[in-house]
Amino acid sequence: DTAVSQTPKYLVTQMGNDKSIKCEQNLGHDTMYWYKQDSKKFLKIMFSYNNKELIINETVPNRFSPKSPDKAHLNLHINSLELGDSAVYFCASSQELAVTDTQYFGPGTRLTVL
Amino acid sequence: LAKTTQPISMDSYEGQEVNITCSHNNIATNDYITWYQQFPSQGPRFIIQGYKTKVTNEVASLFIPADRKSSTLSLPRVSLSDTAVYYCLVGPHGSSNTGKLIFGQGTTLQVKP
Repeated sequence: DTAVSQTPKYLVTQMGNDKSIKCEQNLGHDTMYWYKQDSKKFLKIMFSYNNKELIINETVPNRFSPKSPDKAHLNLHINSLELGDSAVYFCASSQELAVTDTQYFGPGTRLTVL
Repeated sequence: LAKTTQPISMDSYEGQEVNITCSHNNIATNDYITWYQQFPSQGPRFIIQGYKTKVTNEVASLFIPADRKSSTLSLPRVSLSDTAVYYCLVGPHGSSNTGKLIFGQGTTLQVKP
């Protein structure tokens, strides 16, 4: 069974559109994350979220918003897509909201904005 | 969180031992050092974590000198399948301050036959 899954795997869209990426984890973890990885492999956290706290990296534009219907899901909504949003987006989860807690990553969603 | 510096890329040959060093000069007393591995077209996965001296598991060893200002990930007898990007992270144990957690650019290891 896949521990952390994301859909879709590939997403191609036009500038200005709104899109969502879904993430689900079946590990029973309390915390989920979204990361952005650029073409140079630079991997940067966007959000950390558990049932008590949402931590947002201050560099993330407010066009990006996480939505969590329940503990096992954390979806990423992106409004008014821009060319610079093209990247691979990874979802991850961990047992606790802690820097040193082991994170389990999904396979990634490659977003291409035309 | 402590800033880390790693070489951007390294080359090796099958069967060799590979050592990847990460510099973290401003590491704090309660910071731990964690390494992740990312294969092409996959998400990163946890390899090893340590605080001081040496830690070893079935995948790698982590060497941390007494001053803890650097750490070295050691991969014994690499194979082609060890070709990946390796990320070094430093952060306080138990802290929920994940807002600035940055994996950085990592070290791209290319293992050649």
